[in-house]
Amino acid sequence: KQEVTQIPAALSVPEGENLVLNCSFTDSAIYNLQWFRQDPGKGLTSLLLIQSSQREQTSGRLNASLDKSSGRSTLYIAASQPGDSATYLCAASTEKLVFGKGTKLTVNP
Amino acid sequence: GAVVSQHPSWVICKSGTSVKIECRSLDFQATTMFWYRQFPKQSLMLMATSNEGSKATYEQGVEKDKFLINHASLTLSTLTVTSAHPEDSSFYICSARARASGETQYFGPGTRLLVL
Repeated sequence: KQEVTQIPAALSVPEGENLVLNCSFTDSAIYNLQWFRQDPGKGLTSLLLIQSSQREQTSGRLNASLDKSSGRSTLYIAASQPGDSATYLCAASTEKLVFGKGTKLTVNP
Repeated sequence: GAVVSQHPSWVICKSGTSVKIECRSLDFQATTMFWYRQFPKQSLMLMATSNEGSKATYEQGVEKDKFLINHASLTLSTLTVTSAHPEDSSFYICSARARASGETQYFGPGTRLLVL
């Protein structure tokens, strides 16, 4: 059974800092790994999807990496802004998407 | 991009009543739709998977007679919470997938249910 863990559970940083969010998964037989953003009381916004054959994906200030063999993914956010404040979820995909509990990020002005 | 809508966005009902939530893929045909539930400060938990024209597959611990899922067309799936109770209050999110396993799931905006 796939289990996805995210650390830290919460992170507070000053504006402008670069930061890394971590995601680990127990079953490396995944199709892909996705990172989502969720604002309070809202649905999910897909940020990045990394196929199992890929090592990383980039979108703007976001960079996600994937190491299937070690069961790890990281989301790197460069030059953080207050608008980046949200909960970030990673999800590992096989036949189903299994989500981690998320990292709640607060970027302070 | 692919858009998934949900209706209603929020609903308040009395205990014992039934509530129907609709999930629609607006610009693509969804062969598979998924229903998730999210309790406060928790992650999304998959409730069931539905394929168009066939019965839904429920995750362990999810009562199929309480959470009725219908996927009658390639663009619409419905979740009916029957005889709702306060413990069913949650955020329900659907997603839709166009093709075989591994393709991206597109998520709806969610429906917040409050049972009084």
